[in-house]
Amino acid sequence: SQTIHQWPATLVQPVGSPLSLECTVEGTSNPNLYWYRQAAGRGLQLLFYSVGIGQISSEVPQNLSASRPQDRQFILSSKKLLLSDSGFYLCAWGRAGHNQPQHFGDGTRLSIL
Amino acid sequence: AQSVTQLGSHVSVSEGALVLLRCNYSSSVPPYLFWYVQYPNQGLQLLLKYTSAATLVKGINDFEAEFKKSETSFHLTKPSAHMSDAAEYFCAVSDPRSGGYQKVTFGTGTKLQVIP
Repeated sequence: SQTIHQWPATLVQPVGSPLSLECTVEGTSNPNLYWYRQAAGRGLQLLFYSVGIGQISSEVPQNLSASRPQDRQFILSSKKLLLSDSGFYLCAWGRAGHNQPQHFGDGTRLSIL
Repeated sequence: AQSVTQLGSHVSVSEGALVLLRCNYSSSVPPYLFWYVQYPNQGLQLLLKYTSAATLVKGINDFEAEFKKSETSFHLTKPSAHMSDAAEYFCAVSDPRSGGYQKVTFGTGTKLQVIP
């Protein structure tokens, strides 16, 4: 069966510090990978998606970047965090096909001080 | 562009009562629709999905949803609420024109409270 791991679960960082959140998927190959940010009462906002190694697409301009160094590894990064980067970050994977659901990790709660 | 509207950010029901969570969608093409559930500090879990095979879709934990094209609705129901159903529920629509990835638009969520 497929599993998705996301870490850390919580993170408190000062403004201006760097960020690295990791996500790995097991039990499947060549998944589509996604990073979302969830704000209370606003649903999920897609930040990045990837359909293959080294292929990253950004949905919104922002202070963050993403990378996919391996088939089942997806990393969300920032060089200098802003207060507005606080939030709940979710990684997800899905198979190709628009009728396929996405499968989510347990998220990272990021607080910027 | 596709969109999803969830009516009611908070819904309260008594334990054992019917659960009805509303979702209306907007799409210029036949949509793929999903319901997800999220427990506190966890990711989203798939409850059920509509992919045009049948208009009444059954999911996990006795949840079901009916696709009504004339009403552009995909409401989620459960005959009898359990305390463990207390969570936040998200309706989502996938755009079939988005190329090689799933471009999914999520609703803003409905928090379900179950009163003992």
